[in-house]
Amino acid sequence: ELKVEQNPLFLSMQEGKNYTIYCNYSTTSDRLYWYRQDPGKSLESLFVLLSNGAVKQEGRLMASLDTKARLSTLHITAAVHDLSATYFCAVDNSKGGSNYKLTFGKGTLLTVNP
Amino acid sequence: DAGVIQSPRHEVTEMGQEVTLRCKPISGHDYLFWYRQTMMRGLELLIYFNNNVPIDDSGMPEDRFSAKMPNASFSTLKIQPSEPRDSAVYFCASSLEGVQYFGPGTRLTVL
Repeated sequence: ELKVEQNPLFLSMQEGKNYTIYCNYSTTSDRLYWYRQDPGKSLESLFVLLSNGAVKQEGRLMASLDTKARLSTLHITAAVHDLSATYFCAVDNSKGGSNYKLTFGKGTLLTVNP
Repeated sequence: DAGVIQSPRHEVTEMGQEVTLRCKPISGHDYLFWYRQTMMRGLELLIYFNNNVPIDDSGMPEDRFSAKMPNASFSTLKIQPSEPRDSAVYFCASSLEGVQYFGPGTRLTVL
């Protein structure tokens, strides 16, 4: 059974600081997704990482994937209050061909303080 | 495109009543997923369909839950009878090639 672990689960940081959220998973997969959820809202896709070494960047967020280490990171640069949200990583369960079934981590609640 | 549409957005019902949640996926998407989100258990996959056919319902908690997808543009998740522990936000998501697009969710409260 695929397990996806995120850490930390709670992250309080000051504006302007940098930090990294980690996502470890237990079985082979080369498809990983990052989502954002604002309080009371739905999940919004941020990044799709489809191969080893993939790196995607959008604004102050950068995601990377190391399939050999079964690890993805979401790096936050110079945090601003608008980044406060819960961030989920999700891993495609399938081996070889994809059935697009995802297993989600528990999420990281990020609070950026002024 | 309007995105994934769910209805109702909020539902309050009494224990024992039947609840039906509805979902319209994004046109052209061939996968549809039903999730449940609670503080205690996080985001759980209940069931998913490919081309209207249920592929994996192993996440459905018990026989009180059932889901159908009669055509490519409509799916329902039914709970009968409902119980207070079913209170949660239920999300529907659809996808074409990997990325899942989530609907706004239905917040269900069972009293």
